Amino acid sequence: EVQLLESGGTLVQPGGSLRLSCAASGFTFSSYAMSWVRQAPGKGLEWVSAINGGDGGTLYADSVKGRFTISRDNSKNTLYLQMSSLRAEDTAIYFCAKGDLMAASGQIDYWGQGTRVTVSS
Amino acid sequence: QLVLTQSPSASASLGASVKLTCTLSSGHRFYAIAWHQQQPEKGPRHLMKLNSDGSHTKGDGIPDRFSGSTSGAERYLTISSLQSEDEADYYCQTWGTGIQGVLFGGGTKLTVL
Repeated sequence: EVQLLESGGTLVQPGGSLRLSCAASGFTFSSYAMSWVRQAPGKGLEWVSAINGGDGGTLYADSVKGRFTISRDNSKNTLYLQMSSLRAEDTAIYFCAKGDLMAASGQIDYWGQGTRVTVSS
Repeated sequence: QLVLTQSPSASASLGASVKLTCTLSSGHRFYAIAWHQQQPEKGPRHLMKLNSDGSHTKGDGIPDRFSGSTSGAERYLTISSLQSEDEADYYCQTWGTGIQGVLFGGGTKLTVL
């Protein structure tokens, strides 16, 4: 059974940094792309970033490019999102999601339950 | 530009059927999409992948009541024999080539009357 468990969400001040983690199990982690998707309060889903299985190539939404960094540790079956220069508009639930192929740009076929990030002074 | 358009809301009666629509932007009618369901206060759940020819592959444990179809640039999700737990937000998702990444439609909030 595929399981994705996010952690690391908390209250952080504007301009601050935070690292989210996603522990994956139930599949061969290194063979699949992984994504972060967020949902601001009362809003829809917004794709944030994705990373290839294999070569670790990355993609970012324009809204986070240059501020967020996605990475993965295949030896630990863990996905990360390093967030810096955080803004109020980054406040959201952040979901970890598994791709159905190795390529970063593709269908999402499993989701985690999310971790809440609040950016406020 | 690749864009997915969904109606913000839909409603149907308990036991009836409903058809939700996701429209691909001009020039992108051959793109596949995925449908996802998000029940209140829960994480999303993958329902199916829907190809441009109408063929679809459902996710783990998705009931037969959920089906997909295609017409041109329109991608449909049909839910039959509506149950109360089908009341949820439904999102379509697609993906671009190269650096385009992943894209979601705005979502449709389904109310079961």
